[in-house]
Amino acid sequence: GQNIDQPTEMTATEGAIVQINCTYQTSGFNGLFWYQQHAGEAPTFLSYNVLDGLEEKGRFSSFLSRSKGYSYLLLKELQMKDSASYLCAVEDSNYQLIWGAGTKLIIKP
Amino acid sequence: TAGITQAPTSQILAAGRSMTLRCTQDMRHNAMYWYRQDLGLGLRLIHYSNTAGTTGKGEVPDGYSVSRANTDDFPLTLASAVPSQTSVYFCASSRLAGGRSTGELFFGEGSRLTVL
Repeated sequence: GQNIDQPTEMTATEGAIVQINCTYQTSGFNGLFWYQQHAGEAPTFLSYNVLDGLEEKGRFSSFLSRSKGYSYLLLKELQMKDSASYLCAVEDSNYQLIWGAGTKLIIKP
Repeated sequence: TAGITQAPTSQILAAGRSMTLRCTQDMRHNAMYWYRQDLGLGLRLIHYSNTAGTTGKGEVPDGYSVSRANTDDFPLTLASAVPSQTSVYFCASSRLAGGRSTGELFFGEGSRLTVL
């Protein structure tokens, strides 16, 4: 079966750095996505990785290792507004997205 | 820019009743999707449509039906609601390039449905 694993909840301090991991087992691979979802709101796109390595976009970076079935989202200089759930999703060989349950990130002052 | 509009935002429904969740997009995206989101679970695909006039079943299609009469609209119908269909429903769209999705989804604000 297809499976996406990520931690249920993480806590970090304002101004610090946090790394949210995602491991996956899917039928084929056509890319990995990270979405941010604030409570009560719609998910919004953060990043897309299809090749191994690190993609940086401002305070957020996303890393992919296809051989290990592993990705992480790195958030730097954390702000209170970064408190949200972060969803990992993999596009399988049929170009369908398989979603993880999300990681709830709590930022403390 | 409206993007994707869902209606209603919230609804309480008696079991056995029918309900249609509406979804309209103004981005001229070819692909549209309906997901449900339940606590502790990832988004689960109910139905999708790659282009107007075609629809397909997702991971959890039972009890739901969709239609895609035109590019902009993609309504989701529950013919006879059951309590297990209590959930938050998200409509989404994406561009299709060369027959494959570009991946990035644009979501509506969600419809919270409670079936009693």
